[in-house]
Amino acid sequence: ETGVTQSPTHLIKTRGQQVTLRCSSQSGHNTVSWYQQALGQGPQFIFQYYREEENGRGNFPPRFSGLQFPNYSSELNVNALELDDSALYLCASNRDRNTEAFFGQGTRLTVV
Amino acid sequence: QQQVKQSPQSLIVQKGGISIINCAYENTAFDYFPWYQQFPGKGPALLIAIRPDVSEKKEGRFTISFNKSAKQFSLHIMDSQPGDSATYFCAASRSDSNYQLIWGAGTKLIIKP
Repeated sequence: ETGVTQSPTHLIKTRGQQVTLRCSSQSGHNTVSWYQQALGQGPQFIFQYYREEENGRGNFPPRFSGLQFPNYSSELNVNALELDDSALYLCASNRDRNTEAFFGQGTRLTVV
Repeated sequence: QQQVKQSPQSLIVQKGGISIINCAYENTAFDYFPWYQQFPGKGPALLIAIRPDVSEKKEGRFTISFNKSAKQFSLHIMDSQPGDSATYFCAASRSDSNYQLIWGAGTKLIIKP
């Protein structure tokens, strides 16, 4: 088990709603990344935060946004939810940007 | 150029056998190649990783073989056990792109007792 914790574990939302997912990084880690994993597929990089600044973004629309707080915990916000946003959302933390990524258990988001 | 191609999609191996999963990449700028293990309902867990300055890395029953010229790397699981049954992902990243991981599609491994 890693020290990365995500909440909630499961969530059901209606199309058009907004959602906030939360991640507590492992102690001593200053980098957090978010990934989207659709069923039966590999994770897709959404974005990374390093010391509270966005430090890279994948091919996701602006309605996917995030924050990193001074304690290095992080939030992923998704506006105007679409059915295709249904996925497992994974948070990973690194001790620093060029070190191994450790993943939380994920948040399963279902959009109906 | 950003893709990582993983094969096979699924694999059944007898207990005690060798499981082999292969990955290929195009982008020669990739310089970090991890393998992750994922159980149903869990996040991926780092298994073993390699950088392109070595051709092989072994940790217990798990070995990564890396062929830089062919742009391929593979995971070998020796003496496969039923507890190894999981989905395995290869990934790649580049140090000049914030180490964002580019993932293969995954291999579902089943070890038959």
